Amino acid sequence: QSVLTQPPSVSAAPGQKVTISCSGSSSNIGNRYVSWYQQLPGTAPKLLIYDSNKRPSGIPDRFSGSKSGTSASLGITGLQTGDEADYFCGTWDTSLSGVVFGGGTKLTVL
Amino acid sequence: EVQVVESGGGLVQPGGSLRLSCAASGFDFNTYDMHWVRQVTGNGLEWVSAIGTASDTYYSGSVKGRFTISRENAKNSVYLQMNSLTAGDTAVYYCVGQYSGGPGWDDYGLGVWGRGTTVTVSS
Repeated sequence: QSVLTQPPSVSAAPGQKVTISCSGSSSNIGNRYVSWYQQLPGTAPKLLIYDSNKRPSGIPDRFSGSKSGTSASLGITGLQTGDEADYFCGTWDTSLSGVVFGGGTKLTVL
Repeated sequence: EVQVVESGGGLVQPGGSLRLSCAASGFDFNTYDMHWVRQVTGNGLEWVSAIGTASDTYYSGSVKGRFTISRENAKNSVYLQMNSLTAGDTAVYYCVGQYSGGPGWDDYGLGVWGRGTTVTVSS
């Protein structure tokens, strides 16, 4: 059971938009920045969003992040088949004194 | 090129020990907090341990007392000593770097991931 809660899967058609949610509590998302990671099949995770809404260099602006209260969201617009991957949210939990992740969301681009 | 490369994984019997190593290059290691994150094939990510630039250490509840993280700045390396291993520790272990430019452990995210090293605990 993950500390952060994500939907197991989402799907959408190419060119469409999808939003992935991540729910936590006051000891993590409520008072901390959220990061998002993309894991393509057979590869290591990659940082997609940091500080809740910032993109590292090289990440296209089709990817966006937001946070409100104890929840965060990852938005992906203009979906491409190459976006099919597992997406994880993560942050620091002050009660646990450690990093916590969501269980991951598998994105299918139909 | 900014990268971290893990080594030291392998097959070990239950109750045994293993030491993972991670070599960093292409960035100022002294300004990065370092983590170990593991993943069972087909499952999600599980944070294992972290060490800050001041060598402060943190552990998940599932490994505390069994695993020890350390760093050697002169060698741009971080290590994970794993003792009393069980089948539940079987996973791919990723070494991850996080820029320590902010006041909190949530700043900047986990930005530099290695390809992982596989640890299998089995008799």
